[in-house]
Amino acid sequence: AQSVAQPEDQVNVAEGNPLTVKCTYSVSGNPYLFWYVQYPNRGLQFLLKYITGDNLVKGSYGFEAEFNKSQTSFHLKKPSALVSDSALYFCAVRLHSGSARQLTFGSGTQLTVLP
Amino acid sequence: GAGVSQSPSNKVTEKGKDVELRCDPISGHTALYWYRQRLGQGLEFLIYFQGNSAPDKSGLPSDRFSAERTGESVSTLTIQRTQQEDSAVYLCASSQDGHSNQPQHFGDGTRLSIL
Repeated sequence: AQSVAQPEDQVNVAEGNPLTVKCTYSVSGNPYLFWYVQYPNRGLQFLLKYITGDNLVKGSYGFEAEFNKSQTSFHLKKPSALVSDSALYFCAVRLHSGSARQLTFGSGTQLTVLP
Repeated sequence: GAGVSQSPSNKVTEKGKDVELRCDPISGHTALYWYRQRLGQGLEFLIYFQGNSAPDKSGLPSDRFSAERTGESVSTLTIQRTQQEDSAVYLCASSQDGHSNQPQHFGDGTRLSIL
């Protein structure tokens, strides 16, 4: 079984400050990890993914995430937050192999960037 | 179109009625997924198609739910004898193929409300 935990329902940060949205995962094997963002009344938009190799992954809109195998974490980060980054963020995991093809999502973290 | 298209965008119906939700994936994408998102919650996997076949139906919550895909393109999710707990946003996603390392591209969803 695979699972994802996003321990914070809500993260508030001031514009221009760095932001972190936390994610930990549990899988019995090697994971593929993803971050998605959801704006109101919209579907999810892909931000970035970790497949293999460099633990620091860079994605869209200046976001990056660091894969930490020992801590089973994949936290999303951005050096300087924008008000327009305010949205709902989802972490997701998938196994490298096996028949399961669906993503397993965390419960989401609402990010609010304050002007 | 360039992205995943879902219709209708909103559907309000009475308890006990049947509903059909449609998904047009990105052209050429062989893998297609349905998810359910209840208010304030993460995404719940329903079913996965590879081509016109559904190798994973494990997420369908009851036999009132069914889905089909034709022409390796359009998919329809049908809910029979709707119940109030079926109220949710139903999201469709597609990916180029079923490989685990590929991101899924989401539509904007169908917001289903059961009165």
